[in-house]
Amino acid sequence: AQTVTQSQPEMSVQEAETVTLSCTYDTSESNYYLFWYKQPPSRQMILVIRQEAYKQQNATENRFSVNFQKAAKSFSLKISDSQLGDTAMYFCAFMTSPGTASKLTFGTGTRLQVTL
Amino acid sequence: GAVVSQHPSRVICKSGTSVKIECRSLDFQATTMFWYRQFPKQSLMLMATSNEGSKATYEQGVEKDKFLINHASLTLSTLTVTSAHPEDSSFYICSAVVGWETQYFGPGTRLLVL
Repeated sequence: AQTVTQSQPEMSVQEAETVTLSCTYDTSESNYYLFWYKQPPSRQMILVIRQEAYKQQNATENRFSVNFQKAAKSFSLKISDSQLGDTAMYFCAFMTSPGTASKLTFGTGTRLQVTL
Repeated sequence: GAVVSQHPSRVICKSGTSVKIECRSLDFQATTMFWYRQFPKQSLMLMATSNEGSKATYEQGVEKDKFLINHASLTLSTLTVTSAHPEDSSFYICSAVVGWETQYFGPGTRLLVL
């Protein structure tokens, strides 16, 4: 079974600074997807970024980028130029890629607070 | 991105009654949808996988007779909480799959059973 670990329950960053959220996972699969989802106080889950395991290049979406280390089974999220609107719970998630829609395994989340 | 809606956003009901929650994919067709439950300050717990035209697949420990799931079309899945009790009070979230790998989530439904 796959497991996803987020070791930072809470983090804080000042506006305009950079913060990195860590995520590690355990799997015996070779093909899979990794995701970061954001859940702000509204509780709407929002896809931040996704990474396909067979791609060596790290995914980037504007101020959000990942550091994907497949051998180390690590998938950290870097948020640059943090904004107040980035305050949210961030969940790392893993999905195997069997060719049909598959379940997500979520980590326990990291609560990020962006301060002035 | 793909848009998923849920209705209602909030519902209060009396113990013993049934409540239906709808999950719709607004601008795409979804053969697969998922239903989650989330307790305060916790992660999402998968309840079941809903496949269009077939029976839902429930996770271990989820009562299928209590949480009825119907996925009658490619854009609509419903979750009915039957004979609801206070312990069923929670935040229920659905997601719909785009392609076969990316889940987009609805805004959630807050259920309070009195």
